[in-house]
Amino acid sequence: DTGVSQNPRHKITKRGQNVTFRCDPISEHNRLYWYRQTLGQGPEFLTYFQNEAQLEKSRLLSDRFSAERPKGSFSTLEIQRTEQGDSAMYLCASSLALDNEQYFGPGTRLTVT
Amino acid sequence: LAKTTQPISMDSYEGQEVNITCSHNNIATNDYITWYQQFPSQGPRFIIQGYKTKVTNEVASLFIPADRKSSTLSLPRVSLSDTAVYYCLVGSLYSGGGADGLTFGKGTHLIIQP
Repeated sequence: DTGVSQNPRHKITKRGQNVTFRCDPISEHNRLYWYRQTLGQGPEFLTYFQNEAQLEKSRLLSDRFSAERPKGSFSTLEIQRTEQGDSAMYLCASSLALDNEQYFGPGTRLTVT
Repeated sequence: LAKTTQPISMDSYEGQEVNITCSHNNIATNDYITWYQQFPSQGPRFIIQGYKTKVTNEVASLFIPADRKSSTLSLPRVSLSDTAVYYCLVGSLYSGGGADGLTFGKGTHLIIQP
């Protein structure tokens, strides 16, 4: 296993369009996390899953954002009606449930024009 | 109230030992202290984690005093490639903590010069 992968690596979209990102975690990891990072800031927690269950969502996660992990393996993050303020790097990480060490993917850079 | 406080930036030179201190006055009994490193355009990378006293691995040491209200990441003999942002996190999903343990903050931008 080569680690956490994310697709696409870059996405440019026009305001108002919907976008979907995919994350493939390390295969034996049952926890999966989504973060957002803007320039000069640290990663900001969005949500996390244990297997297919979404256990927690940030209060900052608006109703335009939705995440799924239907079979407890890969996850998707969808942003509906994108806004310019959604432009950021979207990071995915995975870990074992009994471990705080998270392994991060390379991220998907979203630019909303 | 921020869970952790770190210096915004630090400078050092190749071959020196660098110590980055993180304050976490409100650390809870079940909280662990975890440090990550991040290079530009990459996801963060786990460096080290500890609960109390001292932890050492192949890349760093982590010193935690008895009151656990602060911690110090020590990087021995740094090189130019250690230039990165370093984040201190306090919390633990492992021991039932919530996602507020996943707050990265702004981190410390470490710059290593020749």
